[in-house]
Amino acid sequence: DTAVSQTPKYLVTQMGNDKSIKCEQNLGHDTMYWYKQDSKKFLKIMFSYNNKELIINETVPNRFSPKSPDKAHLNLHINSLELGDSAVYFCASSRGQTRGTEAFFGQGTRLTVV
Amino acid sequence: ELKVEQNPLFLSMQEGKNYTIYCNYSTTSDRLYWYRQDPGKSLESLFVLLSNGAVKQEGRLMASLDTKARLSTLHITAAVHDLSATYFCAVKGGGADGLTFGKGTHLIIQP
Repeated sequence: DTAVSQTPKYLVTQMGNDKSIKCEQNLGHDTMYWYKQDSKKFLKIMFSYNNKELIINETVPNRFSPKSPDKAHLNLHINSLELGDSAVYFCASSRGQTRGTEAFFGQGTRLTVV
Repeated sequence: ELKVEQNPLFLSMQEGKNYTIYCNYSTTSDRLYWYRQDPGKSLESLFVLLSNGAVKQEGRLMASLDTKARLSTLHITAAVHDLSATYFCAVKGGGADGLTFGKGTHLIIQP
C-alpha cells in the first residue's frame, strides 16, 4: 500500500542511452516533484508539476523531461545519458500550495551510467 | 538564491548523550521541514514547522523554529543507536517551487 512508488529501483545503463523512470502516487496529491541526490547525498529539486503547470529548475539540462499522463503520475525521461547523471532520483508528492503540506518521497531509483 | 546550511555535517556521539543539529537558511520562509534518511532508503518526514516559535517533539527528538533568526534546531535527548541516520532540514522555496535541502547531518550513535 505504498504512497509514492517508483520503478525501477535500480537502473544500470550505458552512456548515450535514453531511459525513463516511472512514479505514481496514491495520496490524491496535486503536486509532484523530482529530486536528484548525488554521491555526496546532496538533494536538489529538478521539477515540480502542479495542475499541468511545470516548473523547471533552471540548472537541469534539457535532456531531462518530466511527463505527466495524469495527476497521479509523473515520469522522468532522460535522453543521451551521461556519466554525471549517475545518482539517486527521488519522486515526491504533496498537496501543492496548501499551507504546511510536507512532501512524501518514493523509495528512490539508483541510476548508474557506465 | 535560497541557501540552507546545516551543521555539523557529521556527528559521532555516544548513547545517552544530548546534542543539537542546527539549520540556518538565507531568506524569509515560514515552512521548515526535517527529514530522516537511513542508508539506501527514502526520506521520512519527521517534523513540519510552520510558524515562529514552533516546537514539536517526537520521542527523543525535538525541533524548533525561529523565523526571525532564520534558524531551526533538532535536539536529540539521551541518544540511542536507532537514531543513527542522516538528518536533513529543508525550506520551502528556491527553484522549481520545491524544497531546498541542507547538506544533511550524518549522525552515528555508538553504544
